[in-house]
Amino acid sequence: QKEVEQDPGPLSVPEGAIVSLNCTYSNSAFQYFMWYRQYSRKGPELLMYTYSSGNKEDGRFTAQVDKSSKYISLFIRDSQPSDSATYLCAMSGEGGSEKLVFGKGTKLTVNP
Amino acid sequence: DSGVTQTPKHLITATGQRVTLRCSPRSGDLSVYWYQQSLDQGLQFLIQYYNGEERAKGNILERFSAQQFPDLHSELNLSSLELGDSALYFCASSKQETQYFGPGTRLLVL
Repeated sequence: QKEVEQDPGPLSVPEGAIVSLNCTYSNSAFQYFMWYRQYSRKGPELLMYTYSSGNKEDGRFTAQVDKSSKYISLFIRDSQPSDSATYLCAMSGEGGSEKLVFGKGTKLTVNP
Repeated sequence: DSGVTQTPKHLITATGQRVTLRCSPRSGDLSVYWYQQSLDQGLQFLIQYYNGEERAKGNILERFSAQQFPDLHSELNLSSLELGDSALYFCASSKQETQYFGPGTRLLVL
């Protein structure tokens, strides 16, 4: 079983839709949870960062972590064509400055 | 712009050759990480340096090596290159938990 599982999609939605992206993981030592956005042929860009369980909101983006279920989510409200990208979940352990373990990414297309 | 710079942007080379990828971290970041991204494996951690010292190793091949210099820039050396080494190589830097990625070096081995 992979440490982090992420549905690769692709996911295609109309502009204005609510998008839900998810990852599951198996390693209970993970404490830090991130979402990165990666445009084609570019470096991953940090979108959201959460420590332990709970919700975090930033504009149109909401990240949720449920450690009891080992499940994390990213919601995008009022999606825009500029949101079209690959979304990667990533996580690391208690140490803080540790390696990130990534999901394989979900490719999202928002159609105007 | 994350503040992390990587050179070169693209590299095309032949099997058996050796290449060096360079990374400059964000100002003040002591940790540098190297990752490899391929279509089938996704983003995989290779190695981490902290203030000049190796901190952690991932699935890095013996043909690959890295170092971090006193000015905190880092280099990743890939030798005896094989076709399967073709990938995007990213460097990231951090002060604490959050890592910021550079634009990557696209390596093509022919």
